[in-house]
Amino acid sequence: NAGVTQTPKFRVLKTGQSMTLLCAQDMNHEYMYWYRQDPGMGLRLIHYSVGEGTTAKGEVPDGYNVSRLKKQNFLLGLESAAPSQTSVYFCASKEVGSRGEQYFGPGTRLTVT
Amino acid sequence: AQSVSQHNHHVILSEAASLELGCNYSYGGTVNLFWYVQYPGQHLQLLLKYFSGDPLVKGIKGFEAEFIKSKFSFNLRKPSVQWSDTAEYFCAVNTYTSGTYKYIFGTGTRLKVLA
Repeated sequence: NAGVTQTPKFRVLKTGQSMTLLCAQDMNHEYMYWYRQDPGMGLRLIHYSVGEGTTAKGEVPDGYNVSRLKKQNFLLGLESAAPSQTSVYFCASKEVGSRGEQYFGPGTRLTVT
Repeated sequence: AQSVSQHNHHVILSEAASLELGCNYSYGGTVNLFWYVQYPGQHLQLLLKYFSGDPLVKGIKGFEAEFIKSKFSFNLRKPSVQWSDTAEYFCAVNTYTSGTYKYIFGTGTRLKVLA
């Protein structure tokens, strides 16, 4: 099993450009999450999904959109990138219920200039 | 609002020193507790977890954590750290409120172990 994979690993965008980050998991997990990690701020939840076709806002959703058209994929979109969105983005997945740990992808380092 | 606090943001230790990282949460109901580790340049990995039963939980690489319900704490310990333990450590809490599971991470503690 590949676990959780993320594409791309690195990306540099100019302000105003758009892009989509792809997260894929092969563990048949229902829950998927998008986090951003910034120095001194830990992990902040952007959006999450509790199943195919569902999405919900997390702690810092502004400027991002998500879609979960297939159970194994969770896409994070930036419609108009801003320098404040420079960060490392992590995707995670979890099985249903309270006991599951989250499995994290390797991360995407995004720089917006 | 539910929250997780890690009071030590940066910790520097020499090899063989003992480690204790604090984690406190604010939630009055049933919780599931986790510690994750992020080695430099890598993604988060589970270190250990607590669901129920013995409040002293043992994880990988000699780490352990103790759940003290009365103190709302889940501190991480290791008797003797190694240089390879240099990493960032995150405490996390999973709660169940209004029909929804909510997963909350602390802000992390960056540990540096000097050889």
